Parts: sequence; C-alpha cells; structure tokens
Amino acid sequence: HSVLTQPPSASGTPGQRVTISCSGSSSNIGSDTVNWFQQLPGTAPKLLIYSNNQRPSGVPDRFSGSNSGTSASLAISGLQSEDEGDYHCAVWDDSLNGWVFGGGTKLTVL
Amino acid sequence: QLQLQESGPGLVKPSETLSLTCTVSGGSISSANSYWGWIRQPPGKGLEWIGSIFHSGSTYYNPSLKSRLTISLDTSKNQFSLKLSSVTAADTAVYYCARSIVVIESIDYWGQGTLVTVSS
Repeated sequence: HSVLTQPPSASGTPGQRVTISCSGSSSNIGSDTVNWFQQLPGTAPKLLIYSNNQRPSGVPDRFSGSNSGTSASLAISGLQSEDEGDYHCAVWDDSLNGWVFGGGTKLTVL
Repeated sequence: QLQLQESGPGLVKPSETLSLTCTVSGGSISSANSYWGWIRQPPGKGLEWIGSIFHSGSTYYNPSLKSRLTISLDTSKNQFSLKLSSVTAADTAVYYCARSIVVIESIDYWGQGTLVTVSS
C-alpha cells in the first residue's frame, strides 16, 4: 500500500502523448516538490523530473512534469518504444519525515 | 561522475540480520548539501524508502522498519551501511543505495541495486 497513488498501467502508440498521474496529500505533494523516476526493465530508477517540472541534464524535453494542489502529473510526448518501462513518483513527506513513493505505473508502447 | 555501489550477502536466513554497504566514488559523503539513503523494491512491486542519513550522522527511518533498522556512515571509507535485523521473507527485495540533494529535494544518483533473498 503506497502513500502516493498512481495508475498501475498506461499505454500509447508511437508518437502519441501520454500522461501519468500521482495523487497525494497536504503533507507530501501539497507541501513539497515532486520527483519522477524512469525505471527501464532490469535497471535502477533514473531521475527524470525534479522540483515538479525540472529536467536533469540529458533528459529529453519530451518529458514534462506539473502539479496542482495534492496531485502531480508526468507527460510524455512523442512516445517512443524505448520509453517502455515503469514510472514512479516520489516526494518528501513532512509527516513521515521521509520519502514516499507511488506504486509505479507500467508504461506500454503499443 | 558520482557512483554508488552496493555490496553484501545475497542470501540471508530468516531471523538473522541483513547487512549492506554502499561505497561512494566520485564525491564525498561528508558533503553538506547531500544526504544518503536506502530504498528497496520487492520483486514485481513498487519502491519503498527505508531510511536516510545526513553528513552529521542524523538519521530518518521508515516508521514501519525503525525498530529493526540501523543506518550509519563511515567517512574514512566514504561508505554508508544498512543493518536490518530479524528479517523475514517479506524483506526479500532489490536494495538500492542513493544520494539525495537537500536544496532541490531530489534523489539524483542511485546504485545499480542488489537482490537480497531471505530464505533458509
């Protein structure tokens, strides 16, 4: 049972735009910035988005993040086959005094 | 380029203590703008934060694991460690060590992960 709620799956065809949601509460998304991680099969998570909408160097601008209130979203435009994998949201929780994660969303490129 | 590498036994017996070490290269674990932590992922499941340690030695633990958990720093070796006692099959997971950045509240570097199986 994860503190943050994500849909278990998402899908799209090459070139499409997909969004993945992440729902939390006032003690996490409502008060701290959201991170998104990409986990390709058999690999460690990789930072994709930090501070709600910032991309680390090397992350394509096809990936974008946004948030509103106690929810956040990751958008992937121009979907590519190599985007297939798991996507996780995470945020520092002020009540827990620790990181909380979503359950992860498995993205399938049809 | 910062690199983190987990090391430790891949198989632990039930009721025993799981011990892992993370060796950091390309940067210092004494940096004031960073803190270090452990995250695990049971097979086929999501990520779970285990705990974090700051350069000062201050620790934050997941409440669900706190009674069994110790995270420590060894600045002389540029390493930090995890000890989880009284393990059960539910502790079987891939364990990742990771770095977090204070200012931007992010986890920016991860180790490759190590699978620890709890079984007799």
